[in-house]
Amino acid sequence: AQSVTQPDIHITVSEGASLELRCNYSYGATPYLFWYVQSPGQGLQLLLKYFSGDTLVQGIKGFEAEFKRSQSSFNLRKPSVHWSDAAEYFCAVGGGADGLTFGKGTHLIIQP
Amino acid sequence: ETGVTQSPTHLIKTRGQQVTLRCSSQSGHNTVSWYQQALGQGPQFIFQYYREEENGRGNFPPRFSGLQFPNYSSELNVNALELDDSALYLCAISGQGRAFFGQGTRLTVV
Repeated sequence: AQSVTQPDIHITVSEGASLELRCNYSYGATPYLFWYVQSPGQGLQLLLKYFSGDTLVQGIKGFEAEFKRSQSSFNLRKPSVHWSDAAEYFCAVGGGADGLTFGKGTHLIIQP
Repeated sequence: ETGVTQSPTHLIKTRGQQVTLRCSSQSGHNTVSWYQQALGQGPQFIFQYYREEENGRGNFPPRFSGLQFPNYSSELNVNALELDDSALYLCAISGQGRAFFGQGTRLTVV
């Protein structure tokens, strides 16, 4: 069965500092991997996705993620965070008829 | 961006009642999925419809059922509501290798 672990429930980062959110997955085949962001009371917005090819993927809002098969990881990074980045971030694996399997999320807090 | 509209945005139901949630899209994508997101948790896959047939289901009991219509709009029906059904219900339209999510319906069961 596929699963996703986001080890950090909360992360606090100062505005302008760099960010890395961790994601580890378990999947039987080559994974389709996603990062979504959710603002309070809102739906999910796709930041980026990995299907194949270059293991470093670029997304919207200055985010990037690196797929590391040997570590079963797909960590999300941003070189300099803005106050508007404060939100809940979800890593997900899968797709197709089995749907997406999401992690429990990481709550990002931005300090001024 | 593909617009996905869910209705209603909020509702309150009593335990044992039935509820119908709705989802529509401006696009012609023919795959729709439903997810349940409990407070403080990630979304959980309920089921998926493709061309009006259910073609995938997560670990949810049969009292969770759905429909997809020829215009690709969709319904999620939940019978015999339980307190634990209180959650945000998200609809997603799939296409172009990605899923577009609606804003969700917040269901409270009292």
